[in-house]
Order: sequence, then structure tokens, then C-alpha cells
Amino acid sequence: QVQLQQWGAGLLKPSETLSLTCAVYGGSFTSYYWSWLRQPPGKGLEWIGEITHSGSTNYNPSFKSRVTMSVDTSRNQFSLKLRSVTAADTAVYYCARAGCGGDCEAFDIWGQGTMVTVSS
Amino acid sequence: DIVMTQSPDSLAVSLGEGATINCKSSQSVLYSSNNKNYLAWYQQKPGQPPKLLIYWASTRESGVPDRFSGSGSGTDFTLTINNLQAEDVAVYYCQQYYTTPSTFGPGTKVGIK
Repeated sequence: QVQLQQWGAGLLKPSETLSLTCAVYGGSFTSYYWSWLRQPPGKGLEWIGEITHSGSTNYNPSFKSRVTMSVDTSRNQFSLKLRSVTAADTAVYYCARAGCGGDCEAFDIWGQGTMVTVSS
Repeated sequence: DIVMTQSPDSLAVSLGEGATINCKSSQSVLYSSNNKNYLAWYQQKPGQPPKLLIYWASTRESGVPDRFSGSGSGTDFTLTINNLQAEDVAVYYCQQYYTTPSTFGPGTKVGIK
């Protein structure tokens, strides 16, 4: 059974860089797109971007100037860096797998979520 | 970006009754070459990540009870919950994956009357 486990710093100051990592356990790492999403407190979901095992990326233009995603195939892990954070970046961040087959990018497996708070 | 809207914002339903949630996209998410609607539905309970219920607008994810069903095409979609159970209390989101960036509706909160 595929599981995603994520971790990273939960409290940041404005202008710092958010850094999260997600590990994939129990399944193929090469056959899927791997995404990061976020959810501000009490609000809806926002897709940040995705990466493949080969390192090919697609970013949401809303984040493009601040975001970098990377992959470590030796450890079946992928990571998110978001630069120059502000209070508006306070949210629960999720990693997720787009896993319904072919070009279906619905997210069938999710990490547990990491609450990231940006505060001075 | 494709804007997703949902209605109602919230609803309360008696146990055993049905619930209907609507989702509308600002442009069609039907890909004509394969006749598939690039639309998914999720259920999210407090403190948990979203759970995929439906993809391709009407294909139920493995393990999802058959009281959940999805319908619609083009720009207008519906999630129907039949025989509402206490464990169905949650917020429900629609998502389009027709174009990048993928976008979600604002959510519909379902409670018990």
C-alpha cells in the first residue's frame, strides 16, 4: 500500500524559505506525477506544482517566481522550496500523487499534511 | 485559469436522505478527442487530507461506497450522496485537471439535520 510521509519546518519568519520533503513508500516512484498543494486555515485547496521522477516540473504561475521542486530518485523523495514567504503563505501543505492513470491528474494518495506558519 | 464554483456553500440533510452538490467550471473540461471530463470530487474531514471519491466526473475510486455518484459534462457537474450516513459529514470539493494549473472549487459543507 502506497504511503506518503512528509516533513519540514513548521514555523518560519517572513522572507525565509519554506522547505518540505515527501517520501514515497510501498509503490512505484517512476510512473506518476507528484504534486504539492496547500490549504490556508479554513479555506480551499490550491495546487502549487508537480514533478516527475525525471525532474520534469510544472508550476502554478501564481508561485512560479518563488518555487522550486526537486526529486531524489535514490530515496523515492521529492521536495518543495518556496522562497520569500509571507503571512499569506501560512497553510497546511500537502504532497500528493496524481494516480488515476494516463493523463488523469486527480490525487489519489496524500501525505498527512504539514502546518506551516509564517510569523515574525 | 479555470474558475470552479460550487453550490450550495453548505447543506444539512437528514440521515438516510440524499444530498446533491453542484460544481460549475468557467470553461468546458470535456476533452473532445477522448470524450472524458477532467473533473474529480473529494471528501475532506477535519484534520485530514482530502480523499478522492470520483474522477473522470463519474468513475468511483476503488473502495468508495456506491452511495456516492458523479454526473455531468462540459461545465456542469453534480455529486450525489444517497442514503446519507453520519460518516459522510465533511466538506466536498470539485477539481478540474483539464488545464494547468489544476483548480478546485471553494467547497460545500455537508452536515446532519
